Amino acid sequence: DADVTQTPRNRITKTGKRIMLECSQTKGHDRMYWYRQDPGLGLRLIYYSFDVKDINKGEISDGYSVSRQAQAKFSLSLESAIPNQTALYFCATSDPGLGNTGELFFGEGSRLTVL
Amino acid sequence: AQSVAQPEDQVNVAEGNPLTVKCTYSVSGNPYLFWYVQYPNRGLQFLLKYITGDNLVKGSYGFEAEFNKSQTSFHLKKPSALVSDSALYFCAVRDIRDDKIIFGKGTRLHILP
Repeated sequence: DADVTQTPRNRITKTGKRIMLECSQTKGHDRMYWYRQDPGLGLRLIYYSFDVKDINKGEISDGYSVSRQAQAKFSLSLESAIPNQTALYFCATSDPGLGNTGELFFGEGSRLTVL
Repeated sequence: AQSVAQPEDQVNVAEGNPLTVKCTYSVSGNPYLFWYVQYPNRGLQFLLKYITGDNLVKGSYGFEAEFNKSQTSFHLKKPSALVSDSALYFCAVRDIRDDKIIFGKGTRLHILP
């Protein structure tokens, strides 16, 4: 089983709909991240969380919200989806504890298409 | 704010030749630098990192990277390319002040048989 699991893997929706992308991890890491990938733009950080009570905005948080329901779960919501939110979304975890330098462990991605 | 630049959208290399994928960075303080690889329809996989110490770091699949503080660069290298190395490569930097991890735009590597 994957250590970082994203659901759904693929989703097509319409403009104005609310969408939630979910991420769960079995690595026991405190830190979780949401990125979006667009061709030619690389990965851009949307939100990141250091624990259940600590959530931070990234480079492009407008139009998105997140919820850290537990250490293992971090959800990304689009309250009213728009076509330019069509992208590949990645969840990632890290554990920058002693001896660990914070490299990221990624899920397989959620491809979202907004029509 | 930290930033990462990968100046080449695509790099083409003949199989068996050495390869270099370029990365430059900007960050306050000491940088934590990473390279990741993405194969089609997959998430990113960690290749290697520089935290401190030796400027030449070795990673997975025979890749290595050279840290150059004066040029603020962290180029990815491999002495002899394989067709299976064809993928999308990302450089990333971690700012230890706020723990943001920022990625470059990626470089697509094509290894020609």
